[in-house]
Amino acid sequence: AQSVTQLGSHVSVSEGALVLLRCNYSSSVPPYLFWYVQYPNQGLQLLLKYTSAATLVKGINGFEAEFKKSETSFHLTKPSAHMSDAAEYFCAVSVLDMRFGAGTRLTVKP
Amino acid sequence: ETGVTQSPTHLIKTRGQQVTLRCSSQSGHNTVSWYQQALGQGPQFIFQYYREEENGRGNFPPRFSGLQFPNYSSELNVNALELDDSALYLCASSLTAGGREETQYFGPGTRLLVL
Repeated sequence: AQSVTQLGSHVSVSEGALVLLRCNYSSSVPPYLFWYVQYPNQGLQLLLKYTSAATLVKGINGFEAEFKKSETSFHLTKPSAHMSDAAEYFCAVSVLDMRFGAGTRLTVKP
Repeated sequence: ETGVTQSPTHLIKTRGQQVTLRCSSQSGHNTVSWYQQALGQGPQFIFQYYREEENGRGNFPPRFSGLQFPNYSSELNVNALELDDSALYLCASSLTAGGREETQYFGPGTRLLVL
């Protein structure tokens, strides 16, 4: 069965600093991988997805993620954090169904 | 916005009662998935419907049931509510074609509180 592990339930960065949110996956077949963002009291918004094309995936709001098969990782990055990036971020893997990680709460300090 | 809508937005029930949550999928989508998101946790897969048939189920008891209608909208029914059923219930719609499901787009959720 597929699964994802998000390393770090809380990440805090300063405005303008690099954002790095870590995700490792487990899957017996080539998976689809996703990053979603959730703002308070809202549903999930798709940031980006990997579907076996280019390994570096660019998403909305300046985020990108790199699929590394050898490391079974799909880490999310953004070069410069903005206050509006503060939210909960979820990594997900899809094979037969969608499995989500526990989430990482990103705090951005002024 | 994704075009996926859910109703109601909030709901309060008591233990033992039954509840029905509704989801309208995005235009052109034929698949609906339901998730339970407890406070501080990631969404947990309940089940998925494709062309009105259940197409996969997570580790939830039979008192969680669903329907998908010909217009691809969907309902989630929960019987004999328990306190632990208090959560945000998320619906996601997607297009399944060629045997592969494409991206899921989520609605805003229904927050259920069981007292």
